[in-house]
Amino acid sequence: QKEVEQNSGPLSVPEGAIASLNCTYSDRGSQSFFWYRQYSGKSPELIMFIYSNGDKEDGRFTAQLNKASQYVSLLIRDSQPSDSATYLCAVNRGGSNYKLTFGKGTLLTVNP
Amino acid sequence: ETGVTQTPRHLVMGMTNKKSLKCEQHLGHNAMYWYKQSAKKPLELMFVYSLEERVENNSVPSRFSPECPNSSHLFLHLHTLQPEDSALYLCASSQESVDQPQHFGDGTRLSIL
Repeated sequence: QKEVEQNSGPLSVPEGAIASLNCTYSDRGSQSFFWYRQYSGKSPELIMFIYSNGDKEDGRFTAQLNKASQYVSLLIRDSQPSDSATYLCAVNRGGSNYKLTFGKGTLLTVNP
Repeated sequence: ETGVTQTPRHLVMGMTNKKSLKCEQHLGHNAMYWYKQSAKKPLELMFVYSLEERVENNSVPSRFSPECPNSSHLFLHLHTLQPEDSALYLCASSQESVDQPQHFGDGTRLSIL
């Protein structure tokens, strides 16, 4: 089983819709969870991070964590064409910050 | 300057060349990382330096040699690379704590002829 799994997509949504990006992880002891956005040819940019079960909102973005199900998601409300990018889920398996494992990413396309 | 800066942005080299990638962070972080990103693969952690000491070396071939002279600078020395080493090489930095995010530089796009 892969450590961090994401649907590679592409996920296509119309402008103004809600985009839902999902991520599952295998290590039940994982402690912190990060979402990065990566535009083509650019480096990953931190969008959100979450440590506790439940929801965390920041502007149009909401991260959701369910440790019992080993599942973390990112919702993007009122999607814009500028949100079109690859979204990387990263999971910290604990102990030290460098125990960060990335998924392959989900390509999101927001159509005008 | 702010953030994490990497040079050069692009590098083309032959298999027998020696070159170095440079990374500098202006965030006051105490940990720095080298990652390799190839097409259709997850980010692969190569090396980690925490407080200027190497703490992780993920079975990286010896043709890649890291150097961390101080907490703000990180180098990746390249020698006798193979075509499969062509990739985007990303540097990142963070505070050494499980709840702190890593911040990435813009990367060096490396092509091996």
